Amino acid sequence: NAGVTQTPKFQVLKTGQSMTLQCAQDMNHEYMSWYRQDPGMGLRLIHYSVGAGITDQGEVPNGYNVSRSTTEDFPLRLLSAAPSQTSVYFCASSSTGVLHSPLHFGNGTRLTVT
Amino acid sequence: EDQVTQSPEALRLQEGESSSLNCSYTVSGLRGLFWYRQDPGKGPEFLFTLYSAGEEKEKERLKATLTKKESFLHITAPKPEDSATYLCAVQGTGGGADGLTFGKGTHLIIQP
Repeated sequence: NAGVTQTPKFQVLKTGQSMTLQCAQDMNHEYMSWYRQDPGMGLRLIHYSVGAGITDQGEVPNGYNVSRSTTEDFPLRLLSAAPSQTSVYFCASSSTGVLHSPLHFGNGTRLTVT
Repeated sequence: EDQVTQSPEALRLQEGESSSLNCSYTVSGLRGLFWYRQDPGKGPEFLFTLYSAGEEKEKERLKATLTKKESFLHITAPKPEDSATYLCAVQGTGGGADGLTFGKGTHLIIQP
C-alpha cells in the first residue's frame, strides 16, 4: 500500500528558480490538498482539489500553482522560488473531503530556498 | 477566521503517568474537530474526528473529548511509543476553503 507518495524528499533551490513538487495517491481519493509546515506555526492550506479538473485556493496560495488532470496526481508548482517558501510541504488526500473521511498525508518534501 | 490553540507546547511524562493535552478553538460554527499524530520526519496520521459537544472517541490509550470551546486528548498509562507531536485541527462553517485549520501541536515525550 503506497498511499500518498511525495517526491522529492529534499530539494534546494536558488531564489528565482522554478520547480514542481510531485504528489501521487493510489487510493482513488477525490479530494487532494497541499499544506506547508513551518516552525512555530500550524500546517497551512495552500491549494486543494475536490476532483479532477477542479482546484481552489487555500489560506496561503500566493507563489504556488496547481493543476489536477488525473485523480491520482496533484503537483504543486513554484513559479519563482523565494526564501519565504522554505518549508516542509505535505500533500494529503481523502476519499470525499476533510469532514467525513480522514486525511492521508505523505511524508513531505523539505524545501530550502537560498 | 478559525483559530486553534494547543497547550502545553511540550510535555514530558514518565511511562505510566497519565495526562491530558488541550485544544481550544474559535470558529463561527464547528463542523468537525480532528486529532492527528505526527512522528519526526513523517506526515500527520489521523486519530479521531469529533463532531459535537459531549462526543468522546477512544483508541487504545487515547481518549478524545469535546466541549463547545475545547477538546482534550487524554493519554492513560502512556508508553514510550506514544511519544510524538499531537496536532489538533478544526473545520468551521464560515465558508471559504475546504480544508483544516491546525494548531501548532503539543510535543509529547514519554520517558521509560
